Amino acid sequence: QLQLQESGPGLVKPSETLSLTCTVSGGSISSSSYYWGWIRQPPGKGLEWIGSIYYSGSTYYNPSLKSRVTISVDTSKNQFSLKLSSVTAADTAVYYCARSGARNPFDYWGQGTLVTVSS
Amino acid sequence: SYELTQPPSVSVSPGQTASITCSGDKLGDKYACWYQQKPGQSPVLVIYQDSKRPSGIPERFSGSNSGNTATLTISGTQAMDEADYYCQAWDSSNLYVFGTGTKVTVL
Repeated sequence: QLQLQESGPGLVKPSETLSLTCTVSGGSISSSSYYWGWIRQPPGKGLEWIGSIYYSGSTYYNPSLKSRVTISVDTSKNQFSLKLSSVTAADTAVYYCARSGARNPFDYWGQGTLVTVSS
Repeated sequence: SYELTQPPSVSVSPGQTASITCSGDKLGDKYACWYQQKPGQSPVLVIYQDSKRPSGIPERFSGSNSGNTATLTISGTQAMDEADYYCQAWDSSNLYVFGTGTKVTVL
């Protein structure tokens, strides 16, 4: 059974960089069939796709966040990571990692991790 | 940018049918999917490619997509179906787009 687990600091200061890692178990991140994505959800609000990465390193970002987002993959560790720079309180959210097929929905999700931006 | 609009809330009596709409420009030309999210939990895919159900999703969940509107229908709604529901589509410019979300209340 595929499992995804987010990890990283739960508190980030304004203007700093948010960094999260998603560890994939029960399957290989190098599978040619899948993309690996990040989605966030501010408290009490809806879902927002941040970006996705293919195991080869090809990335696709939400245009509204593109200037601040970097997603990378480490196939040796079966992990992919998110960096979001210059954060503000508006970036406070539960951050999920998830798997999708090409142009297909997210079928496996991590449990999510709350990141609060505050001084 | 591409937007998907859903009604904020839908109420339904147990055993009745709930319909949740998702509106977007020429949405029928794209594949739509639906997620169910219960409080404190991660979203769960309940419909993909407009009308297909993943393994383990009850038959009472069904979907359709035509014109500018995709619809999720829950037949014989049960108390356990009370949750937030999000539609999602893939757009060539904006890639993955989520709907605004609908809270389904089973009264």
